[in-house]
Amino acid sequence: AQKITQTQPGMFVQEKEAVTLDCTYDTSDQSYGLFWYKQPSSGEMIFLIYQGSYDEQNATEGRYSLNFQKARKSANLVISASQLGDSAMYFCAMRINTGNQFYFGTGTSLTVIP
Amino acid sequence: DTEVTQTPKHLVMGMTNKKSLKCEQHMGHRAMYWYKQKAKKPPELMFVYSYEKLSINESVPSRFSPECPNSSLLNLHLHALQPEDSALYLCASSYRVDSYNSPLHFGNGTRLTVT
Repeated sequence: AQKITQTQPGMFVQEKEAVTLDCTYDTSDQSYGLFWYKQPSSGEMIFLIYQGSYDEQNATEGRYSLNFQKARKSANLVISASQLGDSAMYFCAMRINTGNQFYFGTGTSLTVIP
Repeated sequence: DTEVTQTPKHLVMGMTNKKSLKCEQHMGHRAMYWYKQKAKKPPELMFVYSYEKLSINESVPSRFSPECPNSSLLNLHLHALQPEDSALYLCASSYRVDSYNSPLHFGNGTRLTVT
């Protein structure tokens, strides 16, 4: 069975500081993708970053990077230089090759303090 | 700007009403999804269409009826809903259904309130 775990229900970070949001996953599949989504209070789910199970380098997209540690089954999101607009809910998700499912974690609510 | 558009943005309906949610994507994606999301919870999968055919129905009550008229459009017809159906309904699309490296692209969602 596939599972995504986010253990931080809420996080606070000072503006301009970096923050790490934790995500661990469990799957017996060798081929899988890991995704992070941002959901502001307006409701839209915004795709941020993707990491494939065979990718040897950590993914980066602007201020977002994914710290992928395959042996530990973790895929933490790092946001550098936090901005007030980063305040939102963040979901980690996983997809495997078979089936149509995305497996979502329970989310982390991030608040950026001025 | 999102490339998956949903209408309406907000909907209030009575328990005897019939309404429809609409979703459109022009990304050339072949898979489209409906999710239901309650406040502070992750999205829950309702339906998946792959190449315009229904491939997953996650035991959703029959008062929700999906329709995929073509590869760009996805509707969700609502009838005789209950107050507990009040939620954010998200449409999403992906390039492929069976590929682990294909992300979901979501619309802005419809906030549904059933009175």
